Amino acid sequence: DGGITQSPKYLFRKEGQNVTLSCEQNLNHDAMYWYRQDPGQGLRLIYYSQIVNDFQKGDIAEGYSVSREKKESFPLTVTSAQKNPTAFYLCASSIVGRGNTEAFFGQGTRLTVV
Amino acid sequence: GQQVMQIPQYQHVQEGEDFTTYCNSSTTLSNIQWYKQRPGGHPVFLIQLVKSGEVKKQKRLTFQFGEAKKNSSLHITATQTTDVGTYFCAGQPVRQGAQKLVFGQGTRLTINP
Repeated sequence: DGGITQSPKYLFRKEGQNVTLSCEQNLNHDAMYWYRQDPGQGLRLIYYSQIVNDFQKGDIAEGYSVSREKKESFPLTVTSAQKNPTAFYLCASSIVGRGNTEAFFGQGTRLTVV
Repeated sequence: GQQVMQIPQYQHVQEGEDFTTYCNSSTTLSNIQWYKQRPGGHPVFLIQLVKSGEVKKQKRLTFQFGEAKKNSSLHITATQTTDVGTYFCAGQPVRQGAQKLVFGQGTRLTINP
């Protein structure tokens, strides 16, 4: 069953700790994205990647880091430098090209930092 | 950087009334996509528009892409309670090699049955 999987669904961390959110896809998509969503807000782009071993900063990359060592995986690390990390994090993937570049989203990870 | 603005932020209607949300980009887009997010869920793709002036329909939903490829709209005719959710537009800029997908702030639709 193809899709995009984020884990865990809920995550609690103490302030000052780094935390890594997992995102895996078996859709054979080249592009992957990380977005942050705050209550009642839109989706803000953190990082995106078009190909393995390459990624670009989005609009709110400060305090976050990513890696793209495998096509299927695009983990996001929320570092202690992120001033307000509590949010809903969404990972997405899509094909790269001129055709239908529909983004498929995971179920999201709700991170709470206390 | 590229910005995608969406209005209104909230819209409350009576069931059966029409609903429209508007999307405007600061830069020319190669395509515009629309998504729906139900409360507690994740965004789900509705449609993609590519051509200047393109109009597409899905049952009671009508999507338009502006002539300049910088704005778009989603119109729902005769809303039903199943239409409740937040509607997002998302644009991809015209730039070689770029696969950046930037979302608008969304319009949250609530419906009085």
